[in-house]
Amino acid sequence: QVQLVESGGGVVQPGGSLRLSCEASGFILSSYGMYWVRQAPGKGLEWMTFLHYGGSNKHYADSVKGRFTVSRDISKNTLYLQMNSLRPEDTAVYYCAKDGDYHGSGTYPVDYWGQGTLVTVSS
Amino acid sequence: QSALTQEASVSGTVGQKVTLSCTGNINNIGSYVVGWYQQISHGAPKTVMFGNSLPSGIPDRFSGSKSGTTASLTISGLQPEDEGDYYCSTWDYSLRAQVFGGGTKLTVL
Repeated sequence: QVQLVESGGGVVQPGGSLRLSCEASGFILSSYGMYWVRQAPGKGLEWMTFLHYGGSNKHYADSVKGRFTVSRDISKNTLYLQMNSLRPEDTAVYYCAKDGDYHGSGTYPVDYWGQGTLVTVSS
Repeated sequence: QSALTQEASVSGTVGQKVTLSCTGNINNIGSYVVGWYQQISHGAPKTVMFGNSLPSGIPDRFSGSKSGTTASLTISGLQPEDEGDYYCSTWDYSLRAQVFGGGTKLTVL
């Protein structure tokens, strides 16, 4: 069955960097697009990034464009989120999630979610 | 302010039928498939509806529909374990982004 397991969260100072990982199993990463979605404390869900199944097309929310970079390692079936220039408002639980559409372009909803990893940006 | 509008809260009694709505526009709900996600006690979200398809393992008391620019999630025969937060999402062509509703807190009385 499909499983997504995030790791890499923690406490970081403003301006710092962190890399999140999402190990996927039960499906082939190169066949599905992948999302990163975050949820700030007490707030709703917020879409961050989408990585096209082909690996080259990437979309970012305006709030993280130029600071966050999504990538993947097909050999490890793992998705990454490199987060630079972190701000206190980036504090959130970060979820990786799978596109529900085989060879989709990011216009389909999520069908599977990871358990999330908490990132806290604080001095 | 969210691109998709959901009720802040909805309540119902055990066994009752409740409907949650998600309103957008022609650039999002009017043109693309809508997903519904359940989040219980601030745990990880779980997809409970995908367009009008029920994901594996989700009880068939959940159903989805769409009319124009409004999508709906209906729970027929509400159960105590259905209590939680529900979010809708879809692609927005003009924003070039997946957009989420603000979420509806469902209370089972």
